[in-house]
Amino acid sequence: QKEVEQNSGPLSVPEGAIASLNCTYSDRGSQSFFWYRQYSGKSPELIMSIYSNGDKEDGRFTAQLNKASQYVSLLIRDSQPSDSATYLCAVNDGYGQNFVFGPGTRLSVLP
Amino acid sequence: EAQVTQNPRYLITVTGKKLTVTCSQNMNHEYMSWYRQDPGLGLRQIYYSMNVEVTDKGDVPEGYKVSRKEKRNFPLILESPSPNQTSLYFCASSSPKGYEQYFGPGTRLTVT
Repeated sequence: QKEVEQNSGPLSVPEGAIASLNCTYSDRGSQSFFWYRQYSGKSPELIMSIYSNGDKEDGRFTAQLNKASQYVSLLIRDSQPSDSATYLCAVNDGYGQNFVFGPGTRLSVLP
Repeated sequence: EAQVTQNPRYLITVTGKKLTVTCSQNMNHEYMSWYRQDPGLGLRQIYYSMNVEVTDKGDVPEGYKVSRKEKRNFPLILESPSPNQTSLYFCASSSPKGYEQYFGPGTRLTVT
């Protein structure tokens, strides 16, 4: 059974700080990694994808992947109250459409 | 506007009464999926389709059926719903170029 684990939170950070969200996965064959943001009562929205080891930056967001450690993280710089949401980590084996999601981490950015 | 639509958005039904939740996308995506989301369990994939007439089971397919007769539509069928299928359901689509999925607004189903 493929598993993706995340701390459920809530993770609370002050406005302007860096929020660090972590995800580990069990399947070593995983090739594609995604971070989705989900506001309460809304559908998930893709914010980052990463496919190779290292860092990938997009605006205030940085995704980090370490396949040897089976670990992927999301950093949010200059956190804003509007970043308060649940962040879902998702993993794919790169060959099809079988995705495994983690349970999500709830982030609260305090003004 | 590029979007994934689902209907109905809310549904309350009784055990054993067959129902269908529709999903449609206007982005010409080959790939479509159905998920259910439950508190503490996150999103779990029910079925997915990689093209017309090509479907495959996800992690929790029991009690569900799907069909893909047209590229844009991917309905989810519950032949005999049971209370443990009470959940929030999401449809998603993606293109083969990447695996980024676009989600519909969700359907909240309650089975009594």
